[in-house]
Amino acid sequence: GAGVSQSPSNKVTEKGKDVELRCDPISGHTALYWYRQSLGQGLEFLIYFQGNSAPDKSGLPSDRFSAERTGGSVSTLTIQRTQQEDSAVYLCASSSSSGGALSYEQYFGPGTRLTVT
Amino acid sequence: KQEVTQIPAALSVPEGENLVLNCSFTDSAIYNLQWFRQDPGKGLTSLLLIQSSQREQTSGRLNASLDKSSGRSTLYIAASQPGDSATYLCAVRLHRNAGNMLTFGGGTRLMVKP
Repeated sequence: GAGVSQSPSNKVTEKGKDVELRCDPISGHTALYWYRQSLGQGLEFLIYFQGNSAPDKSGLPSDRFSAERTGGSVSTLTIQRTQQEDSAVYLCASSSSSGGALSYEQYFGPGTRLTVT
Repeated sequence: KQEVTQIPAALSVPEGENLVLNCSFTDSAIYNLQWFRQDPGKGLTSLLLIQSSQREQTSGRLNASLDKSSGRSTLYIAASQPGDSATYLCAVRLHRNAGNMLTFGGGTRLMVKP
């Protein structure tokens, strides 16, 4: 079946511009996560959505970062007034929470490589 | 705060060798631990998931063990092949009520030489 998809695969933007990154999770997965992978920082959690519950935003680095998830499926991560330190690969993952031995196993998309010039 | 460490950071071995990658974590109250593989410029591929109640998981030439009390996991790769060259990441999820995000180690970059 189809895995997690992300678009665009690459994005180059000028400092100060806003960007939107999209994630399409595996069909039926109720949980969706955003992570960021940058040189020197490794892979870090940004935000988590579970069903209709309020998202866990504890990993967002600043108020320039926001995310929404419409209809419990597709998610958009928005970065406003981009800065050079925002350059990284942004990874999206989804998981099922229906129980069983493999519940909560996270499946990752290919990522969006963001470069802020 | 949970911290995850992977040793070594990089490893180069000749084809055919058996090898062990190490992962340690500071908070033993984990819900599960996942090992991933990441190829250059690609996303993460899940290799093995071990629940906190389990001791090990096997998939083909891969075997992952978990010692929760000592905060350690190992990934054993048997009869390594050049196609195994990639970065291997371990990640832990804290107990069920502590949020569902994964905390990642810095990875081990593996090169298997023909």
